[in-house]
Amino acid sequence: DTEVTQTPKHLVMGMTNKKSLKCEQHMGHRAMYWYKQKAKKPPELMFVYSYEKLSINESVPSRFSPECPNSSLLNLHLHALQPEDSALYLCASSQGSSRGNEQFFGPGTRLTVL
Amino acid sequence: GENVEQHPSTLSVQEGDSAVIKCTYSDSASNYFPWYKQELGKRPQLIIDIRSNVGEKKDQRIAVTLNKTAKHFSLHITETQPEDSAVYFCAASPNFGNEKLTFGTGTRLTIIP
Repeated sequence: DTEVTQTPKHLVMGMTNKKSLKCEQHMGHRAMYWYKQKAKKPPELMFVYSYEKLSINESVPSRFSPECPNSSLLNLHLHALQPEDSALYLCASSQGSSRGNEQFFGPGTRLTVL
Repeated sequence: GENVEQHPSTLSVQEGDSAVIKCTYSDSASNYFPWYKQELGKRPQLIIDIRSNVGEKKDQRIAVTLNKTAKHFSLHITETQPEDSAVYFCAASPNFGNEKLTFGTGTRLTIIP
């Protein structure tokens, strides 16, 4: 299996809702990432997990809460979001060593906050 | 932190001609430079990458060159085809990519049949 999968594909939520985005990979990768991509903009890094530990938090607001339950799964818990948080949320993974560079991206979850 | 600039923002090329996209980076610690292609509504997909100990890399119609001294790298696509139409992002990363990728602003490439 050489893919990163993400669920759901689309999500519409109100500002008071709590929801979660899920990401899964079965490539044995030990680094996993969350990126946010607004329309016509490049992906922007939010979080990096390395060997299931949070290694980078790009000063993301606390209404976004990442979780890495095991080496194959990555979640992003959402609470009290704002309309400006509407975007495509991309998950990615990489081997996590100097031998493996490529970050493989999932198809993304398109989030709309009303 | 790293800053990656990318030019041009849009590029239209006649089918069969070559396309060149250029990027500059600011952080001398960056040692890995991938190029991603993103079609409308799709995920970014790696098309080619280069490490800082290499000056040039080629894969069929696609090549990347890196000038470490000047901190710039370029993507070259030869014999362009309609399916090359997409947004292309350059990126830079320390730690051979297993860390933060900082993306350029993107180039929308249109191949004119």
